[in-house]
Amino acid sequence: KQEVTQIPAALSVPEGENLVLNCSFTDSAIYNLQWFRQDPGKGLTSLLLIQSSQREQTSGRLNASLDKSSGRSTLYIAASQPGDSATYLCAVRRANDYKLSFGAGTTVTVRA
Amino acid sequence: DAMVIQNPRYQVTQFGKPVTLSCSQTLNHNVMYWYQQKSSQAPKLLFHYYDKDFNNEADTPDNFQSRRPNTSFCFLDIRSPGLGDAAMYLCATSRDVSEYNEQFFGPGTRLTVL
Repeated sequence: KQEVTQIPAALSVPEGENLVLNCSFTDSAIYNLQWFRQDPGKGLTSLLLIQSSQREQTSGRLNASLDKSSGRSTLYIAASQPGDSATYLCAVRRANDYKLSFGAGTTVTVRA
Repeated sequence: DAMVIQNPRYQVTQFGKPVTLSCSQTLNHNVMYWYQQKSSQAPKLLFHYYDKDFNNEADTPDNFQSRRPNTSFCFLDIRSPGLGDAAMYLCATSRDVSEYNEQFFGPGTRLTVL
């Protein structure tokens, strides 16, 4: 069974600081890893998808890295803004499986 | 814009009163999923359809059922909601289940059980 852990559960930073969010998983045999954003009471917005053969993906201020052998992914958000305040979830798709295994998320607050 | 749509966004039902949640998609994806997310917890897969093939997760309660009448629509039926079924219900789609496929989520339906 794939276990996905996100630490810390919550994070508060001043505006402009870079954010570093961590995700770890127990089974390194994966197809891909997705990072999602969830605003309070809303659905999930896909931010980045990293395939198992890739080491990182970038989109604007977001950069996600993947170290499959150690079972870790990190999401970097550069120059954080109050609008980045949300819960960020990582989800892993195991090889030969269809479903995503989610972490419980890291709730980020960016203070103006 | 192609998207995943869920209706209603908020649903209130009474203990034991059947309720149906709706999901539709304009992405023409083959796979549709239903997840349950309780407060401050990770989303948990209930079941999914690959075309018309239904796949139930082993730990999904019998109280939960699903229908997919066509490619675009998928319904979640809760036969006798209990207080523990209050949650956000998320619908997602993917083109298929190959390793390169990404899941796209709808806005969710928040279910309250009184």
